[in-house]
Amino acid sequence: NAGVTQTPKFQVLKTGQSMTLQCAQDMNHNSMYWYRQDPGMGLRLIYYSASEGTTDKGEVPNGYNVSRLNKREFSLRLESAAPSQTSVYFCASSVKRGTSTDTQYFGPGTRLTVL
Amino acid sequence: AQSVTQLGSHVSVSEGALVLLRCNYSSSVPPYLFWYVQYPNQGLQLLLKYTSAATLVKGINGFEAEFKKSETSFHLTKPSAHMSDAAEYFCAVSKGGSYIPTFGRGTSLIVHP
Repeated sequence: NAGVTQTPKFQVLKTGQSMTLQCAQDMNHNSMYWYRQDPGMGLRLIYYSASEGTTDKGEVPNGYNVSRLNKREFSLRLESAAPSQTSVYFCASSVKRGTSTDTQYFGPGTRLTVL
Repeated sequence: AQSVTQLGSHVSVSEGALVLLRCNYSSSVPPYLFWYVQYPNQGLQLLLKYTSAATLVKGINGFEAEFKKSETSFHLTKPSAHMSDAAEYFCAVSKGGSYIPTFGRGTSLIVHP
């Protein structure tokens, strides 16, 4: 089991460029998440997908779009990158337990710099 | 709304000393409470979790946490710190009726030789 994989590991963009961050999990989890992590801000949820075919906004969705391509894959797109989107991005997945969620499994992260 | 408070953004201890990282959650008892650890340049990984089966939970690397309902706390402890314990630690809760866990801001553990 590879767990949660993310590509790319590092990326440098110029302001206005677009890119897609890829995430895949091989644990047959229902739920998937995208977070960003900035110094002193902890983890902030961008978007999540509680199950295949559904996506919902999190705390900081502006400037991002997502696609739940299938049960395994959940991508994050920056349509027009801005320096404020310089951050480390983490994808996570988890199993639903009743009306709650169990342990989250995180990918290794993508370090994005927008110049 | 459920909230999680981690007291102290940085905790500094000497190698061999007791580690105590504090976590408090808001009033409603959540189904799950978690501690995650993040080593430098890595993603988060589960250290331990509370699921109501036992109030004292043992995790990896000698860490444990005690759920105290009366204090709405889930503090993380380790009797003797190692240099390898230096990392960021996050407390999180999952609440019923939501698939979005709530994370604390994190506590950076610094271990001095």
